[in-house]
Amino acid sequence: KAGVTQTPRYLIKTRGQQVTLSCSPISGHRSVSWYQQTPGQGLQFLFEYFSETQRNKGNFPGRFSGRQFSNSRSEMNVSTLELGDSALYLCASSLDPDFYEQFFGPGTRLTVL
Amino acid sequence: EDKVVQSPLSLVVHEGDTVTLNCSYEVTNFRSLLWYKQEKKAPTFLFMLTSSGIEKKSGRLSSILDKKELFSILNITATQTGDSAVYLCAVNSGGSNYKLTFGKGTLLTVNP
Repeated sequence: KAGVTQTPRYLIKTRGQQVTLSCSPISGHRSVSWYQQTPGQGLQFLFEYFSETQRNKGNFPGRFSGRQFSNSRSEMNVSTLELGDSALYLCASSLDPDFYEQFFGPGTRLTVL
Repeated sequence: EDKVVQSPLSLVVHEGDTVTLNCSYEVTNFRSLLWYKQEKKAPTFLFMLTSSGIEKKSGRLSSILDKKELFSILNITATQTGDSAVYLCAVNSGGSNYKLTFGKGTLLTVNP
């Protein structure tokens, strides 16, 4: 069974630009969660999608948004990039994270210059 | 605001030692507590705990949850160099809407 895949793996952008990251979950998984990891703040929850519905979101500004498609693939978008958005963005998929483990993808390393 | 605190922040031991990692939490809608191991890549799942007092075990690793005192411990016996990693504790605190709050992690270094 293929694991969680994220594209691109590395990205360099400049301040003010926008970026879209993609996550393909494990086949059959309906939940996709997104996290931001930085050395200072650690791992922080961005949002979770289950069957195309955003069920919850973390404390991030509205510049961070996402969506999930009918095939469970998910994208997250960050608009008007700031230097502080430089981070590793991880997505994780699960059958249902309330009851089953999540499997993390390798992450997208975003650098904002 | 939901809070998860791990201690110690870092730990250096010798192979064969036993270690105990701590995780305390203050959240509004507790659903479960999870432990992850992170090496130089994405976190890998270790345990999910939902009930107090029931130990979960996997090889040399074990974990238990105390919902009254709001903490969990992760034990690793007979440590090996391959156990060197950051161990992350997280709490699902979203009630019926999943939301994971992570602690800052414990960096474990096992020396030969």
